[in-house]
Amino acid sequence: GAVVSQHPSRVICKSGTSVKIECRSLDFQATTMFWYRQFPKQSLMLMATSNEGSKATYEQGVEKDKFLINHASLTLSTLTVTSAHPEDSSFYICSANHRGVNQPQHFGDGTRLSIL
Amino acid sequence: QKEVEQNSGPLSVPEGAIASLNCTYSDRGSQSFFWYRQYSGKSPELIMSIYSNGDKEDGRFTAQLNKASQYVSLLIRDSQPSDSATYLCAVNRANTGTASKLTFGTGTRLQVTL
Repeated sequence: GAVVSQHPSRVICKSGTSVKIECRSLDFQATTMFWYRQFPKQSLMLMATSNEGSKATYEQGVEKDKFLINHASLTLSTLTVTSAHPEDSSFYICSANHRGVNQPQHFGDGTRLSIL
Repeated sequence: QKEVEQNSGPLSVPEGAIASLNCTYSDRGSQSFFWYRQYSGKSPELIMSIYSNGDKEDGRFTAQLNKASQYVSLLIRDSQPSDSATYLCAVNRANTGTASKLTFGTGTRLQVTL
């Protein structure tokens, strides 16, 4: 079964709206989660690393004031796209490492964001 | 040079054949290697992980790793139409799959034809 839950799966909203996406680790604690963005027919692009109890680490070129990340608990990270515009329309996916040795990253189901 | 390179494809194989997907990486410090399958419009799903040189088999899938050549591959035996997807190669410097970021290739699109 799924080990990482992401919600909502799809969002359609007007330009200027802020959108919050939740990523939860199911039945395990994740001190670190990752947020990716994927445009059509392109590969995954890591946006930021979400760290529980501290500031997120953003990849080069990703605006931290635009994409707010909060990791307030060991099972929940949120990504808020502030004042979203059509160019922010994309597929946003989170991931986390399952507990234990040699456990790779598992992905949530993703959130398809469409800004009108 | 890209950190993780894959042929974008599409790679077309007939049903029942063996599909061979290849990946090279540039960071010699890489220690963990993963193959993910991504169907169109869906998020990636882990297929295989491999950490040491040689072959690792799981059902119809075999991952092969050669650190000296900086090369990792995925073989899919008895390919089925449901295997048609994009396969992503991912590499991690950590050796225990700990929470450090993955570097992904751009993916190879596999088409299994009837």
